[in-house]
Amino acid sequence: QQQVKQSPQSLIVQKGGISIINCAYENTAFDYFPWYQQFPGKGPALLIAIRPDVSEKKEGRFTISFNKSAKQFSLHIMDSQPGDSATYFCAASYGQNFVFGPGTRLSVLP
Amino acid sequence: DGGITQSPKYLFRKEGQNVTLSCEQNLNHDAMYWYRQDPGQGLRLIYYSQIVNDFQKGDIAEGYSVSREKKESFPLTVTSAQKNPTAFYLCASSIMMSTDTQYFGPGTRLTVL
Repeated sequence: QQQVKQSPQSLIVQKGGISIINCAYENTAFDYFPWYQQFPGKGPALLIAIRPDVSEKKEGRFTISFNKSAKQFSLHIMDSQPGDSATYFCAASYGQNFVFGPGTRLSVLP
Repeated sequence: DGGITQSPKYLFRKEGQNVTLSCEQNLNHDAMYWYRQDPGQGLRLIYYSQIVNDFQKGDIAEGYSVSREKKESFPLTVTSAQKNPTAFYLCASSIMMSTDTQYFGPGTRLTVL
């Protein structure tokens, strides 16, 4: 119940394409869903986050889509760039519980 | 600049030795965390602390110890009891344990020789 599943494990996209990463959870108590971006050898950095009272949040080229009934949320990266190549983690939290997905390694080809 | 610092960036240890990783934050955050990350893997919680002089075990606390004597500092000791300590260690903090966003330090890569 505390798990967050994430797919795909790795993703290769051409420059200018759309990158889509999906996450799913079981525990309906989760009320905050952030995405983190991590470059090799660095700590993760908060990219964008959403709460379940909205179905979509957009910040620049990054969009979170949230489906409360399906208990799924996804990250869309529009016009993907080589500089977006990194590992992306979804997470879910409520109260003192904070759970990370296993991560998706994104490679954007020039 | 506000943020989280971890030192050293790279650390080498011989088998059987204890080693302490430093984590300092000047964000005035109450909660602090330690995670372990193995190659190609997600983050696994080792220990967390909600307030000074209090800390709790996470999912993989065996072979590790922590202290929280000051609000801004949360050092992690990797003891000789940790069977496979080679990993990337990440420290994080948040305003309070019940708030949502965790901010991460740059990490320490520990290699056991």
